[in-house]
Amino acid sequence: ETGVTQTPRHLVMGMTNKKSLKCEQHLGHNAMYWYKQSAKKPLELMFVYNFKEQTENNSVPSRFSPECPNSSHLFLHLHTLQPEDSALYLCASSQDGTSGSGELFFGEGSRLTVL
Amino acid sequence: GQNIDQPTEMTATEGAIVQINCTYQTSGFNGLFWYQQHAGEAPTFLSYNVLDGLEEKGRFSSFLSRSKGYSYLLLKELQMKDSASYLCAVRDSNYQLIWGAGTKLIIKP
Repeated sequence: ETGVTQTPRHLVMGMTNKKSLKCEQHLGHNAMYWYKQSAKKPLELMFVYNFKEQTENNSVPSRFSPECPNSSHLFLHLHTLQPEDSALYLCASSQDGTSGSGELFFGEGSRLTVL
Repeated sequence: GQNIDQPTEMTATEGAIVQINCTYQTSGFNGLFWYQQHAGEAPTFLSYNVLDGLEEKGRFSSFLSRSKGYSYLLLKELQMKDSASYLCAVRDSNYQLIWGAGTKLIIKP
């Protein structure tokens, strides 16, 4: 496999459920990101990891919990979500998370619906 | 505050040319990106501008004017497969990416 892979592609969960989103990148990049994409809104950066260390947390509610066990894998743990959290969650990677022209490589996203 | 503005939706005809504009107000500037996103798919990188002027890449070109806080993406010889959303993003002085809401481009035969 190449690129950035996200699983599951679709997820429906109740507000009391616990689930996790998984992201894996096969590009040898050092930085990984979680973004939230809602219809007709700009991409919202949630978390950034550089060399497995979290360098960005954009005031994300604690019901979203990221985990980065190594530079190739990134998880987003979900717990007691709200219906307004329904969105497309995109994972991305880049060679360097802080400088250079390094463009982002995105996964195809996990479409989350919270009932 | 920081802001990226681009039209919500545009319509163009197959074979024609379309220009998608992006204006920005950010704290500093360290480059501007354009991404393409087909419905249900991942955004993919199209272009990067850090100096003023036009960057051409096949049917797609991207222009930047830093003094005007302005960029455009020019698509020539439009094909049906160009129907997608086009996202403009600016990297600010803290190397944070500021995103526009995207422009949905509809191509008609």
